[in-house]
Amino acid sequence: DGGITQSPKYLFRKEGQNVTLSCEQNLNHDAMYWYRQDPGQGLRLIYYSQIVNDFQKGDIAEGYSVSREKKESFPLTVTSAQKNPTAFYLCASSMTAGSSYEQYFGPGTRLTVT
Amino acid sequence: SQQGEEDPQALSIQEGENATMNCSYKTSINNLQWYRQNSGRGLVHLILIRSNEREKHSGRLRVTLDTSKKSSSLLITASRAADTASYFCATANSGGSNYKLTFGKGTLLTVNP
Repeated sequence: DGGITQSPKYLFRKEGQNVTLSCEQNLNHDAMYWYRQDPGQGLRLIYYSQIVNDFQKGDIAEGYSVSREKKESFPLTVTSAQKNPTAFYLCASSMTAGSSYEQYFGPGTRLTVT
Repeated sequence: SQQGEEDPQALSIQEGENATMNCSYKTSINNLQWYRQNSGRGLVHLILIRSNEREKHSGRLRVTLDTSKKSSSLLITASRAADTASYFCATANSGGSNYKLTFGKGTLLTVNP
């Protein structure tokens, strides 16, 4: 099956701990994205990567970090510096970077920090 | 800030009826996309309409774009209970960074059997 996988589906952490969310794709897409969704809200872009070993900040990058060491993988670390980390996190990919291409989304990870 | 704003925020209809959702935006766009999200799931791409197109069809979906009014509408005909979901418009702004989609807050559609 081709697609994007995110794990785990639910994640619970204590305040002050860093946590890493996994995102893997086997679509051979160059571009990958991380979004955050809060209840009743749209998606906000955290980071995106156009190609391996390259990534750029989106609109709300503070308190987050990413890496892109492999084409298939784009993990997101939520650090203790993120003031309101509880949210639904969505990973997406597209054939290449550019808004002319549809984005394919993973099933999401719901992170709860207490 | 959010570029696209959907209207209404919530819509409840009976199975078989048509559902119309609207999206307004503020700046010039390259294209506009519609996505569906089932509760607690990822988004699924429905349709992309470019700024030089006025109407596009895909199955039971019809999307229109009026760049003079900076608005788009999504029509779902002969709705089914399985169409129950949130629907988001996403705009790709012309000029500047062309990597980015800006999502609205969505319309929650409930189709009652």
